[in-house]
Amino acid sequence: DAGVIQSPRHEVTEMGQEVTLRCKPISGHDYLFWYRQTMMRGLELLIYFNNNVPIDDSGMPEDRFSAKMPNASFSTLKIQPSEPRDSAVYFCASSLADRGTYEQYFGPGTRLTVT
Amino acid sequence: AQKVTQAQTEISVVEKEDVTLDCVYETRDTTYYLFWYKQPPSGELVFLIRRNSFDEQNEISGRYSWNFQKSTSSFNFTITASQVVDSAVYFCALRNTGRRALTFGSGTRLQVQP
Repeated sequence: DAGVIQSPRHEVTEMGQEVTLRCKPISGHDYLFWYRQTMMRGLELLIYFNNNVPIDDSGMPEDRFSAKMPNASFSTLKIQPSEPRDSAVYFCASSLADRGTYEQYFGPGTRLTVT
Repeated sequence: AQKVTQAQTEISVVEKEDVTLDCVYETRDTTYYLFWYKQPPSGELVFLIRRNSFDEQNEISGRYSWNFQKSTSSFNFTITASQVVDSAVYFCALRNTGRRALTFGSGTRLQVQP
């Protein structure tokens, strides 16, 4: 089975540009998570969805960040406008609420560099 | 609030040595889940193990073993006879029953020298 798929794997953009990161969760999983990894803050949750509905967006840094999940197989994380401090690795993860196990399986990540 | 502390920032061992990675957690929940993930140099996060708070039985999987002790709020990870391929950053994480997201520790970088 395919794991979590993220695109692009690398993104380099200039400050002020719009950036869209994409994620396809594991088929059948009903939870989707977006995390960000930086040297300063480590791995931190941005937002997560359950059955395509946002449940907790308390980690979204500010209004420049937005996330959507239009269907069970696709989610986007958008940054507009981007800033150099947004440079990080963004991970998407998915899990299945089955018997309370909830292991999260991560995608390969998108390394974002904002110059 | 919940918190995961991995006090060891970096550990360096020589191949075939045993090594233990420490994880201490804080939570007010009585039911929670603990995880270990491996992040090799390629960057992906690989799930290794989940442990439920109501199951304190230790677990062994090949060269890997985990020691869960509720009394000390610790969930330590031991690699026996370490190999160069074990070189990675290892993260301990915590999840409670209410919030599905993981709270990660800061990670321990393990370097296994040949």
